[in-house]
Amino acid sequence: DTAVSQTPKYLVTQMGNDKSIKCEQNLGHDTMYWYKQDSKKFLKIMFSYNNKELIINETVPNRFSPKSPDKAHLNLHINSLELGDSAVYFCASSQSMDTDTQYFGPGTRLTVL
Amino acid sequence: QQQVKQSPQSLIVQKGGISIINCAYENTAFDYFPWYQQFPGKGPALLIAIRPDVSEKKEGRFTISFNKSAKQFSLHIMDSQPGDSATYFCAASNAGNMLTFGGGTRLMVKP
Repeated sequence: DTAVSQTPKYLVTQMGNDKSIKCEQNLGHDTMYWYKQDSKKFLKIMFSYNNKELIINETVPNRFSPKSPDKAHLNLHINSLELGDSAVYFCASSQSMDTDTQYFGPGTRLTVL
Repeated sequence: QQQVKQSPQSLIVQKGGISIINCAYENTAFDYFPWYQQFPGKGPALLIAIRPDVSEKKEGRFTISFNKSAKQFSLHIMDSQPGDSATYFCAASNAGNMLTFGGGTRLMVKP
């Protein structure tokens, strides 16, 4: 029973394409996040969603847009993919924005050719 | 600007030895300091965390030492085992639960 799941696990696509990564959590948490891990393993937060409302939006390109159909899901849409978007993207969740423990998904490795 | 600096980048320890990873932060508003463990191909998982009102926290073989005045904290892994081989990340957060991660330390424990 995976707590935080992501699909797909691997995504290979061409520059200029539009793609989506899905994330679901079955923990009943109110807050979800997206992180980007680059080739040097550096982890950086991209977005945070609490009760379907964006509460933190780091300085990421507006080609990236999170979409939350309900509080158990936070999908990441990426338009006009660029080579520099290649990375591993992690979804995470926490009970609330005041609760500190974040539970991470297994990651989606995006490769842009 | 890297708000959380982590060292060393890589560490090799013999089985049974002590692994020590250090982190330093700049933002005095940080009030939560977790350590995450990441195995290859997996997402980070919380290992242990501390708040600045205590100077040390121990859970099994893992200990966090915290020095608020120096704005530093460290992870000590006692009796290191080959199964501890992974990448370790320190992090810090404040209101809003936004985690700022250190650059990571790749630990290898030799049998």
